[in-house]
Amino acid sequence: DAGITQSPRHKVTETGTPVTLRCHQTENHRYMYWYRQDPGHGLRLIHYSYGVKDTDKGEVSDGYSVSRSKTEDFLLTLESATSSQTSVYFCAISPGLAGSTDTQYFGPGTRLTVL
Amino acid sequence: DAKTTQPPSMDCAEGRAANLPCNHSTISGNEYVYWYRQIHSQGPQYIIHGLKNNETNEMASLIITEDRKSSTLILPHATLRDTAVYYCIVRSMNNAGNMLTFGGGTRLMVKP
Repeated sequence: DAGITQSPRHKVTETGTPVTLRCHQTENHRYMYWYRQDPGHGLRLIHYSYGVKDTDKGEVSDGYSVSRSKTEDFLLTLESATSSQTSVYFCAISPGLAGSTDTQYFGPGTRLTVL
Repeated sequence: DAKTTQPPSMDCAEGRAANLPCNHSTISGNEYVYWYRQIHSQGPQYIIHGLKNNETNEMASLIITEDRKSSTLILPHATLRDTAVYYCIVRSMNNAGNMLTFGGGTRLMVKP
């Protein structure tokens, strides 16, 4: 399995509080992604990164920010959590090699509950 | 990326081969067939992918028809731990940074 860890694995917080989720990889992959998974919506991309300090928005980026100061770490921040952000968050990584299909590998997930 | 069609659910007896079909009749020449699975409450797990030749790894085999319009994922000796939702995805080259789109998948239930 790809070396991807996410922390925390579970978190309960209150509306309006800031929350930061961490994704850490040991594969030295170029690309890192944050998805959320909700019933009836499947997996949706929030943000992704294609290198240190290089990030871009995904399908559902409103209310989220990201940072990548090191190759191995990709942080997802909810500046002011809302109940609609209750979800399971998955980090993924991929090598980003030109001329390939760029297989994505997923972390174990973080279950976030916003009360 | 081309659309895929999978049966919503299947059962398989423990120890038997599980054959999961996928239709991708609109696949184009540079698109690969990928399989992932998601065991309850866990992250999606990559299984295998292929272009036109059959592929095998330690987890499964992938059989792609000659016209590439359908494929079958084979778990040769299913165990209870293989109970999961299996997703067939078609993906083109140079897709780094693009969202991986999971459809409905096939819910495989392995029974003792």
